[in-house]
Amino acid sequence: TQLLEQSPQFLSIQEGENLTVYCNSSSVFSSLQWYRQEPGEGPVLLVTVVTGGEVKKLKRLTFQFGDARKDSSLHITAAQPGDTGLYLCAVEYGNKLVFGAGTILRVKS
Amino acid sequence: NAGVTQTPKFQVLKTGQSMTLQCAQDMNHEYMSWYRQDPGMGLRLIHYSVGAGITDQGEVPNGYNVSRSTTEDFPLRLLSAAPSQTSVYFCASSYSRGTEYNSPLHFGNGTRLTVT
Repeated sequence: TQLLEQSPQFLSIQEGENLTVYCNSSSVFSSLQWYRQEPGEGPVLLVTVVTGGEVKKLKRLTFQFGDARKDSSLHITAAQPGDTGLYLCAVEYGNKLVFGAGTILRVKS
Repeated sequence: NAGVTQTPKFQVLKTGQSMTLQCAQDMNHEYMSWYRQDPGMGLRLIHYSVGAGITDQGEVPNGYNVSRSTTEDFPLRLLSAAPSQTSVYFCASSYSRGTEYNSPLHFGNGTRLTVT
């Protein structure tokens, strides 16, 4: 059983559509990080959320941390082909960073 | 502005061979780690180090050894390669770990390893 469950596993949409991906757990965390990974590269941090109910915006990306700090969502408005990639959530677990399996997003032009 | 550098980028091994994946960072990070990435399984932690001279096991350590003799370098050794070790390997570093820090991990660009 994975500590973090991400859904959907795969999402293919047209340019201009909106989408939401989810990161869920039965455990409570003090913070949660979102990363994006492009093909052939390592993941890159997008944002860290630390407060229950927190909403952070990064241009067309909106990140929310659940009130109970067990889950998080990433909403993309008007997706562009440049948003294509693997989106990973991660949490601190002891002194390790544990990742979910990720959501593969493909945005077609 | 190198960040985390991994070598080689690609490697093919025969079953039973050994090799070392190299990782170096120039950001003076105390924390370094190795992950493997397999389809549908995300990133799984192999070994990590909170500082020079200190290493510990992650989720999937069997078949791998690490050492941390300097702050900059954290090599990963495959003792006797097996087809199950076919994967993409990522080295990552950060200033520190722990909930009070929330340090982002800085990743290298990975080594794609195939074991036949």
